[in-house]
Amino acid sequence: GIQVEQSPPDLILQEGANSTLRCNFSDSVNNLQWFHQNPWGQLINLFYIPSGTKQNGRLSATTVATERYSLLYISSSQTTDSGVYFCAVDYNDMRFGAGTRLTVKP
Amino acid sequence: NAGVTQTPKFQVLKTGQSMTLQCAQDMNHEYMSWYRQDPGMGLRLIHYSVGAGITDQGEVPNGYNVSRSTTEDFPLRLLSAAPSQTSVYFCASSYSGGTNYGYTFGSGTRLTVV
Repeated sequence: GIQVEQSPPDLILQEGANSTLRCNFSDSVNNLQWFHQNPWGQLINLFYIPSGTKQNGRLSATTVATERYSLLYISSSQTTDSGVYFCAVDYNDMRFGAGTRLTVKP
Repeated sequence: NAGVTQTPKFQVLKTGQSMTLQCAQDMNHEYMSWYRQDPGMGLRLIHYSVGAGITDQGEVPNGYNVSRSTTEDFPLRLLSAAPSQTSVYFCASSYSGGTNYGYTFGSGTRLTVV
C-alpha cells in the first residue's frame, strides 16, 4: 500500500506563531485529506485537497500531486489549535500518516 | 442531524469474549469504515464498505468481522477478544464515488481487553 510520512512528528509553538506541516506520500494519489484530532480525541476533517490550494480562516493547505506532497499551514496559532494533525490518502483503502503533534503554548 | 454515532464509548472485555461495536450514520453516506488507533500511532483501517451488502478488508482485518445490511449501520464484531485488540476504535463515513468527500468520524470506542 501507499506509504504516508508526516513531518515534523512534534512541534511546539508560542501562541501567535505560524507553522507548516508536511505530508509526503509514496505513490500518485487522487484523494488527500487533512484531519485534526483535538486533545479529547475527536477527529475533524479540515480539508479535502487532492490538488491545488484551499484556505479556511487561519488554515490553508496545498497539495502538489505530481511531486507527492501536501502542506498544511497554520497562521497566528492559538491554544485551541493544539492536538494531532493527520494526513490521509487514497480512496476506499485510506492510509493515514503517523501525525504531527502540535502544542501551542499561551 | 447526529452524524456518526458509535456505541458503547467504553468497554472492558475478558480475553476470549466476543462483542459488537455499533456504528450508525444518518447522512446517507455510501462509504463507511472502521479504524483502530493505538497510542502514538495514526489510524489503521480494519474494514470498509462502499455500500449496503459490500464489505472489504483494510490494513489490519484479522480478528474482526463486519457486515453492511443497511446504508445506515456498519457494526464491527470481535470474534474472540485478545489483549492485542486493546485500542480506540473509530467509525467513519463519507460520500463515495471515488472521492471520500465529507469524511466524518464518530467519537470513538475505547476498548480494553484483559
